[in-house]
This record gives sequence, structure tokens and C-alpha cells, in this order.
Amino acid sequence: SAVISQKPSRDICQRGTSLTIQCQVDSQVTMMFWYRQQPGQSLTLIATANQGSEATYESGFVIDKFPISRPNLTFSTLTVSNMSPEDSSIYLCSVEKGDHGEQFFGPGTRLTVL
Amino acid sequence: DAKTTQPPSMDCAEGRAANLPCNHSTISGNEYVYWYRQIHSQGPQYIIHGLKNNETNEMASLIITEDRKSSTLILPHATLRDTAVYYCIVREYSSASKIIFGSGTRLSIRP
Repeated sequence: SAVISQKPSRDICQRGTSLTIQCQVDSQVTMMFWYRQQPGQSLTLIATANQGSEATYESGFVIDKFPISRPNLTFSTLTVSNMSPEDSSIYLCSVEKGDHGEQFFGPGTRLTVL
Repeated sequence: DAKTTQPPSMDCAEGRAANLPCNHSTISGNEYVYWYRQIHSQGPQYIIHGLKNNETNEMASLIITEDRKSSTLILPHATLRDTAVYYCIVREYSSASKIIFGSGTRLSIRP
């Protein structure tokens, strides 16, 4: 398994500002994933981040809005840029470990944009 | 789009077995069935996975039909702490594969 921490756990932000969310893993992993969970909804994959390469974004998500860094094998950041109230969600990171691709998730960052 | 179909909600009495069904009629031969759950306000938790054989671990059992078009997650003795949204996911195990979450089943355990 993997132990994953996220910072901040929650934040309230003003429209037009940006927030950077940190994800720290207790062991080295190749792939890290960022998800968004809007209120009352399921999880939606934003992007996949491999160390040393550009993140791969899913349809509907762009790098200018959600820039991602992956400086090493245990850490990643997701920035939510130029926020609007529609960005109010829980943002989760996850990593893949185990013999058959099991994913382990962080506790999430609850973002409210006013 | 998610490749699975689950009932939106179920309930179960505490201490009884909770049986959560999942349909995945378009599953391909190299795709696994994974189950995760999400307890309120927490990140999803991996439960179990299988390819074609039934699997059991300390949390649950997974029964996959012979044609692999459906499966059932069994929580043998449900407790109030098992109240969560349960997600059934089919996915090819490869470094390029990704998890697509459907809407899941909201399981309520009644005392």
C-alpha cells in the first residue's frame, strides 16, 4: 500500500485567485493521478503525472487551468488557476502500487471558491 | 465512460452479508474487476480485485460469473462503518490504463 498526504486539507478562496495543492507519498511511485470530485458526484480524472515528463490531461481539462508539477518520485502539485465558484470541489491525488495496479488515494483537498 | 452498471443505492442490516452487484457486459479478456469504496469525506479505499477467479481478502469477497459479465462484492458481516459509496471498475492492468469511476452504489447499513 501507500500512505498519501495532501496539503491543504481544505481552503476557501476568492474568485480569480489560484491555489496549489500538494501531494506527498511515503514511497517512490512512477505514476500519480489527480482527480476532481464535484459536490454529490463521482470522481473525474483530471490528469496523469509521470516524473520527468509533461502531465497527460483528460478531455475537458487543460494545462493552463490545472498546471501540474512532478519534480520527483514522491511528490506532485496541482494548481487550480483563476478560480471560479464552479471549481469548488474535492481534489484528490492517487498513486498506483501493488502487483495489479491497485490505486491508493490521498484524503483530498476540499476547495470552496467564493 | 464507465464500463460498469451498479444500482444507485442499497441497504443492509448490520451483521448481515451485504451483496453488491455490478454489471460489466463489455469487459474484455485482459480487463480486471476492481472494487473501491468511499466513506463520506474521505479518499476512495481499494477493497479487492479479480480477473476471473473468485477472490477473498480480509475485507471482502469478490464473485465473478463464469462469463465475466457481472460480479458481486460481498461484505460478510456488515457493520455501520461499512456505510459508503462502492465503486465497481473494470480496467486493463497496464501502465497506460486509467481508472474511470462510475456513479457507484451508496450502501447504507441499518442498525
